[in-house]
Amino acid sequence: AQTVTQSQPEMSVQEAETVTLSCTYDTSESDYYLFWYKQPPSRQMILVIRQEAYKQQNATENRFSVNFQKAAKSFSLKISDSQLGDAAMYFCAYRSARETSGSRLTFGEGTQLTVNP
Amino acid sequence: NAGVTQTPKFRVLKTGQSMTLLCAQDMNHEYMYWYRQDPGMGLRLIHYSVGEGTTAKGEVPDGYNVSRLKKQNFLLGLESAAPSQTSVYFCASSRDRDYGYTFGSGTRLTVV
Repeated sequence: AQTVTQSQPEMSVQEAETVTLSCTYDTSESDYYLFWYKQPPSRQMILVIRQEAYKQQNATENRFSVNFQKAAKSFSLKISDSQLGDAAMYFCAYRSARETSGSRLTFGEGTQLTVNP
Repeated sequence: NAGVTQTPKFRVLKTGQSMTLLCAQDMNHEYMYWYRQDPGMGLRLIHYSVGEGTTAKGEVPDGYNVSRLKKQNFLLGLESAAPSQTSVYFCASSRDRDYGYTFGSGTRLTVV
């Protein structure tokens, strides 16, 4: 079974600075998808970024980018020019590309990000 | 489009009571999921469905049942609520495995 680990329960960053959230995963598969979700205090889960394992190029979405290291099974999220609205719980998630177990997402434990003004 | 709608948003139950959480999606998604979120544990899969009339157990299915009689609806039932089922419950749907989920806004359930 796949597992996802986020080793940083809490992180903080100064407004306008850059922060990196860590995520590692364990899988024996070669084809899969990785995601970062944001959960602000409103509780709504928001997709931040998606990475396909067969693509070597790291995904980017505006101020959000990832560092995908397939061999190391690492998938970190970098937030540049941090804004107060970035304060949230961030979840890393894994999804197999195979039709197994309902194509479920497996989530990490989450990292609570605080942005200081 | 409403996306994924969960009802109710909040509920307090007494131990031993039963209830049903409703999830409805209007995106014609095949896959639907129920997760629970607890502090420090991320989201854990309770049950899921890969299409109308199908259901399957996830990671933490004990004490819950589900039904998907219509493609757009996925119901989660608690037959006899226990304090350990105090949690935030999320429903999600997905078009296929190439994409992430669309989540509902969650249900905060407290069992006293």
